[in-house]
Amino acid sequence: DAGITQSPRHKVTETGTPVTLRCHQTENHRYMYWYRQDPGHGLRLIHYSYGVKDTDKGEVSDGYSVSRSKTEDFLLTLESATSSQTSVYFCAISDGTHEEDTQYFGPGTRLTVL
Amino acid sequence: RKEVEQDPGPFNVPEGATVAFNCTYSNSASQSFFWYRQDCRKEPKLLMSVYSSGNEDGRFTAQLNRASQYISLLIRDSKLSDSATYLCVVNEENFVFGPGTRLSVLP
Repeated sequence: DAGITQSPRHKVTETGTPVTLRCHQTENHRYMYWYRQDPGHGLRLIHYSYGVKDTDKGEVSDGYSVSRSKTEDFLLTLESATSSQTSVYFCAISDGTHEEDTQYFGPGTRLTVL
Repeated sequence: RKEVEQDPGPFNVPEGATVAFNCTYSNSASQSFFWYRQDCRKEPKLLMSVYSSGNEDGRFTAQLNRASQYISLLIRDSKLSDSATYLCVVNEENFVFGPGTRLSVLP
């Protein structure tokens, strides 16, 4: 299995509070991604990074920000959590060096916003 | 909007059955294709890549039809442990995931 960890694994928070989720990889992969997964929607891309300090928005980026100060860490921040951000959040990594490169996922973080 | 579509199922099949899943994608410029497997409350894991010539890995066979823009996954001799959700994934500029097809293999 790819070396990807996410923390925390579970979090319950209240509306309006800031929340930061961490993704850590030991594979030295260039690309890192944050997805959310909700029933009926599948996996949707929030933000991704293609290098240190290089990030871009995905399909559902509103209300989220990211930072990548080191190759191994990619942080997802909810500046002011809302109930609609209750979801399972997955981090993924990919090497990006060849056409059939694929993604490997972390174990996920279950976030509940009350 | 670029989309990947799958029949959500569930597909309930007896052990030993053969089951096939289809997936359609809308972006003809898609570059590469994959099937992932996701167990309940777990992360998605790569099952296999899908090549234009078709490819097989044990009981699993994947095929790609670029002209019709669909991908298929065939599972032969189903096992109880095959019960999971199968995600079709298309790589355009980014990876686009289908909603998944749920499979339950029954004893």
